[in-house]
Amino acid sequence: RKEVEQDPGPFNVPEGATVAFNCTYSNSASQSFFWYRQDCRKEPKLLMSVYSSGNEDGRFTAQLNRASQYISLLIRDSKLSDSATYLCVVKEYRNAGGTSYGKLTFGQGTILTVHP
Amino acid sequence: GAVVSQHPSRVICKSGTSVKIECRSLDFQATTMFWYRQFPKQSLMLMATSNEGSKATYEQGVEKDKFLINHASLTLSTLTVTSAHPEDSSFYICSARDRGGVNSPLHFGNGTRLTVT
Repeated sequence: RKEVEQDPGPFNVPEGATVAFNCTYSNSASQSFFWYRQDCRKEPKLLMSVYSSGNEDGRFTAQLNRASQYISLLIRDSKLSDSATYLCVVKEYRNAGGTSYGKLTFGQGTILTVHP
Repeated sequence: GAVVSQHPSRVICKSGTSVKIECRSLDFQATTMFWYRQFPKQSLMLMATSNEGSKATYEQGVEKDKFLINHASLTLSTLTVTSAHPEDSSFYICSARDRGGVNSPLHFGNGTRLTVT
């Protein structure tokens, strides 16, 4: 089983649509959760962190269910510029060489295409 | 804001040659840098974690003698792909965290697309 699983899509939606992405993770020790977006052939960029109480940033709403080890991202009123790959990311803490660091594990990504 | 510069952005090399990729933190000191690899239509996979002044920690399945990592200063980490082969063709991305600790923001470089012919 993959550590972080996402539906790869692709999701093709019209402008203005609402779209939801789901993600599950296998490591119950995971500490922090994020959604990143990655444009074609570019580096990933942080979209938002995900908190247990759920959080919203404009048109984007993220939810976390620790009991089910499930994360979601909802995009309302989709824009053409939202077209990208959305990556579900979990972080766990590790120690190496006497230093603590957070290891990010990325999901495969969900491809979203918003069309006119 | 904080910037991580990665160079080169694209490289094409012949099989058997070595390629060095640089990752620099431009306006902050990075005690920890991470190297990822992403094959087409696949997720970013962590290859190794490097801490300034110490040996890198490699993820399972990543050959440390093939992917040499040097993190000699607080602003520079390098990844050298030795004796590259076509199967090493991939998108390599570095990321860096500043000295604020494990919860400080993670900044990504713009990636290096390696093609081995």
